[in-house]
Amino acid sequence: GAGVSQSPSNKVTEKGKDVELRCDPISGHTALYWYRQSLGQGLEFLIYFQGNSAPDKSGLPSDRFSAERTGGSVSTLTIQRTQQEDSAVYLCASSSWGHQNTEAFFGQGTRLTVV
Amino acid sequence: TQLLEQSPQFLSIQEGENLTVYCNSSSVFSSLQWYRQEPGEGPVLLVTVVTGGEVKKLKRLTFQFGDARKDSSLHITAAQPGDTGLYLCAGRGTSGSRLTFGEGTQLTVNP
Repeated sequence: GAGVSQSPSNKVTEKGKDVELRCDPISGHTALYWYRQSLGQGLEFLIYFQGNSAPDKSGLPSDRFSAERTGGSVSTLTIQRTQQEDSAVYLCASSSWGHQNTEAFFGQGTRLTVV
Repeated sequence: TQLLEQSPQFLSIQEGENLTVYCNSSSVFSSLQWYRQEPGEGPVLLVTVVTGGEVKKLKRLTFQFGDARKDSSLHITAAQPGDTGLYLCAGRGTSGSRLTFGEGTQLTVNP
């Protein structure tokens, strides 16, 4: 596809279960970001992948959160033992490189609801 | 940690009015971007400013980057209902570094 694709678009899970969220970035984009957004709020940084560099994981809120990016393309964000406070929209973005002028292209997000 | 503070958080105005949204930080950014987000969608880039004191205009929207590259403003002239949305500023400390977003300003323009 031409844009960033995220799946699933909606996910309802029971407290304590693990979930995996997928992001397919724009082909050729070396930078990939994960953010979390609560209703009507700003974007909370989670993790940033830039090419072959070690990812910036400084935004992950706890060790229940992890992310990987395989082959420099698809990324998966995993949340283990989900809690109700994990409920939010998880947004993925990609860019051609983290240059100062580079535009970040966002997917439509995955709305996660933990019940 | 680089933080960006936006104000106001919420703004509700009548069609035709002017408004200004502010984005402030104690940190210096190599560039600052403004995004607009509509419900159910991801943010979309409006503009990037990289030079201290830079002013960019996009139709009725005027963006300014502070001289010290620590703050920015977005001014909308004669707002229209189609301008309704969440406006987010985002800064990058250095080239190649992560993009940090502000808390956003939810703008509602009433007809």
